[in-house]
Amino acid sequence: EIVLTQSPATLSLSPGERATLSCRASQSVSTSLAWYQQKPGQSPRLLIYDASSRTTGIPARFSGSGSGTDFTLTISSLEPEDFAIYYCQQRLDWPITFGQGTRLEIE
Amino acid sequence: EKQLLESGGGLVQPGESLRLSCVASGFTFSDCGVAWVRQAPGKGLEWVSTIGGSDSATSYADSVKGRFTISRDNSKNTLFLQMNSLRAEDTAIYYCAKVLNWRNYYDYWGRGTLVGVSS
Repeated sequence: EIVLTQSPATLSLSPGERATLSCRASQSVSTSLAWYQQKPGQSPRLLIYDASSRTTGIPARFSGSGSGTDFTLTISSLEPEDFAIYYCQQRLDWPITFGQGTRLEIE
Repeated sequence: EKQLLESGGGLVQPGESLRLSCVASGFTFSDCGVAWVRQAPGKGLEWVSTIGGSDSATSYADSVKGRFTISRDNSKNTLFLQMNSLRAEDTAIYYCAKVLNWRNYYDYWGRGTLVGVSS
C-alpha cells in the first residue's frame, strides 16, 4: 500500500498570505496525485489532479506541483474561504489511498 | 448539473447488514466509474470500493473485502454498497463519488449518508 504523509498537520496563516502544503508518498506515484479541499459539514472537492491540472472552476491561486514522491499544493494568496482541510490522494496503485490531511486555519 | 444522492444509512448493531444506494443524475452514468469513500467521525478520507462503468470491474479496500459488495444498475442510474458483518470501525459517513475520466480521481461527490455500528 502506498502511504501518503501530509505536512504540516496544521498550518496557521492569515488571509493574503501564501500557503504551501506538502504530500510525500512512500513510493513513486509518478504524477498520479490529486488534491481535495473539505470544509466542515461538506463533501470533499477536487482541486488538482495529475499533480498539476486544475479542475474546471478552481481559482488560479491554487496550483499543484511535484512528481515521484514529493508534491506541493500552493495557494498563492489566501482568501477567507480557503481555510479548510486539504487531502492528497494517489491513484497509481490499488488500494487508492489518501493522506491524513492538513488543516489550514486562520491565524 | 451532475448530482449524486446517497441513502440507506442508519444505526445498526455489530454483525448486522445495511445496503446503501446512490442515485446519479446529470451525466451518462453507465459511462463512468463510481466509488464509495468513507470518513469516520473527525477522521480523514478512506477509499472503500470502486466499480467500473461498462465492464463493472470492482476493487475493494482490504478492510472491507469479503464483507462489502459494490454493484450498479445502469438502467436506474444507481450505485449500491451491500455491507455485511458490520463492525464498530465501519462507523462513518459514506460518500458516493464519480470517477474522473477513468483516472480514479473523484470529481463529483454526494453529500454522504451516515452509518453507525454500535451495540
